[in-house]
Amino acid sequence: KNQVEQSPQSLIILEGKNCTLQCNYTVSPFSNLRWYKQDTGRGPVSLTIMTFSENTKSNGRYTATLDADTKQSSLHITASQLSDSASYICVVPGGSQGNLIFGKGTKLSVKP
Amino acid sequence: DAGVTQSPTHLIKTRGQHVTLRCSPISGHKSVSWYQQVLGQGPQFIFQYYEKEERGRGNFPDRFSARQFPNYSSELNVNALLLGDSALYLCASSPRAWEGNTIYFGEGSWLTVV
Repeated sequence: KNQVEQSPQSLIILEGKNCTLQCNYTVSPFSNLRWYKQDTGRGPVSLTIMTFSENTKSNGRYTATLDADTKQSSLHITASQLSDSASYICVVPGGSQGNLIFGKGTKLSVKP
Repeated sequence: DAGVTQSPTHLIKTRGQHVTLRCSPISGHKSVSWYQQVLGQGPQFIFQYYEKEERGRGNFPDRFSARQFPNYSSELNVNALLLGDSALYLCASSPRAWEGNTIYFGEGSWLTVV
């Protein structure tokens, strides 16, 4: 069964600290993996798209890694800011066209 | 340029009623997808339309239907509403088929069924 699992479910860190979020997927065939940021009550916003040939990709303070062999990805946030408080969702395209499989997300809270 | 726009932003319906949600994709985008996001969960795929044809359908009952118009805007219809249909309904657009392309989401339509 195609699945995307994320950990931890929630995370609280202090402003300025770094953190790493994890994503494991069992989707096959694999084409790409996406990380989205979703503020409470808002639509998701794309952070990165990674294909199977890419190991790492950065977008400002966000760095995503991908290990297609172990089917794992991580999202590293550097020097966290209060505005980073949001849910971070890992997404992998499923088998049928248009079917994106979303993880349940990691809810990050950055405290002053 | 405007992003993906959805309407209404919030609405309340009673069980058994029907609802229509609307979505306008980013100008030039021909693919529109619909997702349901229940509180605390990740979005679940409902439909994808590309060039006015249904290209994908998720595991939702026939009470859910959608269509795409010649201007690429889209409607999601839900009949015989149930309490469990209460959710954030997200519309997403992409230039062509979504594969490999960035998908842009609207802010969603919050549906509450009472």
